[in-house]
Amino acid sequence: QQQVKQSPQSLIVQKGGISIINCAYENTAFDYFPWYQQFPGKGPALLIAIRPDVSEKKEGRFTISFNKSAKQFSLHIMDSQPGDSATYFCAARGNSGGSNYKLTFGKGTLLTVNP
Amino acid sequence: KAGVTQTPRYLIKTRGQQVTLSCSPISGHRSVSWYQQTPGQGLQFLFEYFSETQRNKGNFPGRFSGRQFSNSRSEMNVSTLELGDSALYLCASSLMTSSYEQYFGPGTRLTVT
Repeated sequence: QQQVKQSPQSLIVQKGGISIINCAYENTAFDYFPWYQQFPGKGPALLIAIRPDVSEKKEGRFTISFNKSAKQFSLHIMDSQPGDSATYFCAARGNSGGSNYKLTFGKGTLLTVNP
Repeated sequence: KAGVTQTPRYLIKTRGQQVTLSCSPISGHRSVSWYQQTPGQGLQFLFEYFSETQRNKGNFPGRFSGRQFSNSRSEMNVSTLELGDSALYLCASSLMTSSYEQYFGPGTRLTVT
């Protein structure tokens, strides 16, 4: 069974600090690795995504780092703000045919940024 | 563009009953996926419909079913409800099938008593 393991479960960061969330996957049958952000009472929203042939992707204060050999990827939030307080999910999309073409999500990280 | 809408937003049902949830995708999106979100299991994929055909299916029992209409709107049905079916059910739409770029609705909070 394809799995994506996410850590930590919760994270508290001071305003202006760097938030780091890590994910690991178990096999190579994935071709896209998106991150989603979810605020209370809302559905998740796509934040940023990366392909496994790229080691890093940056969009504003958000950066994905990807280590293909270690089967790990992480989200870095620079200059974290209270408005970044949300639950973050990493995900991976299967690249095989049939039922493997689906998103598998990590269990989420609740980020709290203190003012 | 209007976002993904889901109705109802909240629902309370009794064990053994059945329930139907509705989802209207973003205009122009032909793919609709359904997810179950619980504190313990996180976000779990139920199934995806594209052009009225089920394209992908997760590991849920047959009590969970869905369908898609010609206007891309989708419904999800759960029969013989169990206490463990209490969850937030999220619908997501995308332009193409199997896309990693999905647009989620706010969800339907189902409570089974």
